[in-house]
Amino acid sequence: KNQVEQSPQSLIILEGKNCTLQCNYTVSPFSNLRWYKQDTGRGPVSLTIMTFSENTKSNGRYTATLDADTKQSSLHITASQLSDSASYICVVIPTDSWGKFQFGAGTQVVVTP
Amino acid sequence: SAVISQKPSRDICQRGTSLTIQCQVDSQVTMMFWYRQQPGQSLTLIATANQGSEATYESGFVIDKFPISRPNLTFSTLTVSNMSPEDSSIYLCSVDGAYNEQFFGPGTRLTVL
Repeated sequence: KNQVEQSPQSLIILEGKNCTLQCNYTVSPFSNLRWYKQDTGRGPVSLTIMTFSENTKSNGRYTATLDADTKQSSLHITASQLSDSASYICVVIPTDSWGKFQFGAGTQVVVTP
Repeated sequence: SAVISQKPSRDICQRGTSLTIQCQVDSQVTMMFWYRQQPGQSLTLIATANQGSEATYESGFVIDKFPISRPNLTFSTLTVSNMSPEDSSIYLCSVDGAYNEQFFGPGTRLTVL
């Protein structure tokens, strides 16, 4: 069973609207949790990195939150743009296994005009 | 940040043949990672490649099927040997950066007929 589960699998939103993506994980202990954006045909690019003690991290219109008690993270996209159309991947890095990152399957976001 | 290039960007291969994927980094790095991303699925770590030593393979991946070379600190190759349609995937290399950052190459999209 994957240790990082993302939801929804995909979503379609209108340009200008907000959306929130979810990430539930079982990895423990972990050193940090990351959100990546992967455009079609490209490698993932880091959006946010949060240590286990952080609750929120912003990068422009992207805001990630982390609740270590419930083992949940979310990525909120504000005022979506067409360029936000991509796959968003949640990644959890175990404390004792550097390099053995646990990847979620991603949420495919499509922003329509 | 690190800039990573991969060659080829995509290929269509016949069953039973082999393909070597190249990964070039614009700076010297200790560890390089090779991942596979099957359609609609998470990234899966294939192996970790350190310069001057044998690559370390993850469970389910073996050297005979995925031989890796790491001749210097800026370059690595991954070969997919004796390919079958099940090997159709995106193959990505990545490197560590400062501050827990991780950088990915653009990926190689492989289709095996």
